[in-house]
Amino acid sequence: DIVMTQSPLSLPVTLGQPASISCRSSQSLVHSDGNTYVHWFQQRPGQSPRRLIYKVSNRDSGVPDRFSGSGSGTDFTLTISRVEAEDVGVYYCMQATHWPRAFGQGTKLEIK
Amino acid sequence: EVQLLESGGGLVQPGGSLRLSCAASGFTFNNYAMNWVRQAPGKGLEWVSLISNGGGDSSYYADSVKGRFTISRDNSKNTVYLQMNSLRAEDTAIYYCARQTTIDYWGQGTLVTVSS
Repeated sequence: DIVMTQSPLSLPVTLGQPASISCRSSQSLVHSDGNTYVHWFQQRPGQSPRRLIYKVSNRDSGVPDRFSGSGSGTDFTLTISRVEAEDVGVYYCMQATHWPRAFGQGTKLEIK
Repeated sequence: EVQLLESGGGLVQPGGSLRLSCAASGFTFNNYAMNWVRQAPGKGLEWVSLISNGGGDSSYYADSVKGRFTISRDNSKNTVYLQMNSLRAEDTAIYYCARQTTIDYWGQGTLVTVSS
């Protein structure tokens, strides 16, 4: 099975500063159809998860443009260009290329 | 507006069974695969199962639930189900229903507690 490894697991950030979360997979996540099915989710305290980014780098509707995704193969990154207070929560990567699907462990972002 | 409303959670003894439901609205249900994802208290997300769209002939499971859980759908009722048998303490979690293979929408979740 695919293992998704996120780092760091805890991310204290000063307001207005950038933040970056890494997600590495144990195997290539390039699908036979040529797509790479890596998605990023945000879970604010007490809420259901919300998708931010799909297929590596596509931002969902309504997601601020300070969020961006990048990467290829086995290495992926979620970047927040300038952290705001509403960004506090846990961020998860997920692979949907192979069965069974797998999430990373989660990265808890907090304001320093 | 896409809405996913889970129900059926509750307290069950180890070895018992429970059936979760997820009622969907705001989109053409038949066109989308559906997932169940769970989250143990204070822990991360764990994908549980997916059923394909249309006739729902294809279903997939996490190793941790294979042989114990069964996903199904009733397209006439816009509802997806998760039948959970032989429940264990480690199945205690909030169970979320989520739409399609790229998981673009989530429900609010229903809590399942397995305890004697």
